[in-house]
Amino acid sequence: QKEVEQNSGPLSVPEGAIASLNCTYSDRGSQSFFWYRQYSGKSPELIMFIYSNGDKEDGRFTAQLNKASQYVSLLIRDSQPSDSATYLCAVKEGGGSNYKLTFGKGTLLTVNP
Amino acid sequence: ETGVTQTPRHLVMGMTNKKSLKCEQHLGHNAMYWYKQSAKKPLELMFVYSLEERVENNSVPSRFSPECPNSSHLFLHLHTLQPEDSALYLCASSPSDPDNEQFFGPGTRLTVL
Repeated sequence: QKEVEQNSGPLSVPEGAIASLNCTYSDRGSQSFFWYRQYSGKSPELIMFIYSNGDKEDGRFTAQLNKASQYVSLLIRDSQPSDSATYLCAVKEGGGSNYKLTFGKGTLLTVNP
Repeated sequence: ETGVTQTPRHLVMGMTNKKSLKCEQHLGHNAMYWYKQSAKKPLELMFVYSLEERVENNSVPSRFSPECPNSSHLFLHLHTLQPEDSALYLCASSPSDPDNEQFFGPGTRLTVL
């Protein structure tokens, strides 16, 4: 059973701080990793994906991947109250047009004004 | 609102009822998915359709029956459900690689009495 583990939180940070969200996965052969954001009562939306070891930056978001240690993280700089949501880590299996994602339970982030 | 729509948005049904959930995508994608999201549990993949053929059935009880009449439409037929089936049911679609994002619909909040 392939597993994706996340700390369920809640993670609480003050406005303007850096929020750090972590995820570990069990399948060493996994190649693609995704971070989704889900606001309460809404569906998940993709924030970032990462394939290669190292960092990938997009605006205030940085994804970090370490395949040797089987973890992927998401850093949110200058956190805003609007970033308060559940962040879902997902790992891709398969390819072509019928791949599937295995999701973690998600980490609830609260950014306090 | 995304290019994936779901109806109804809310559904309350008794255990003896038969109902159907509908999903439609206007993105020209080749694959469509049904997920179940329950409180405090990860998103659970239920079914995957690729080019209108079912390619994944994740040990889902037979009281859930999917149908994919064409690449733009996906249904989930429900009958004799149990109260523990109450959850948010999310539909998603995706293009072929190398585009990897799964786009989610808004979900149907199902309550089984």
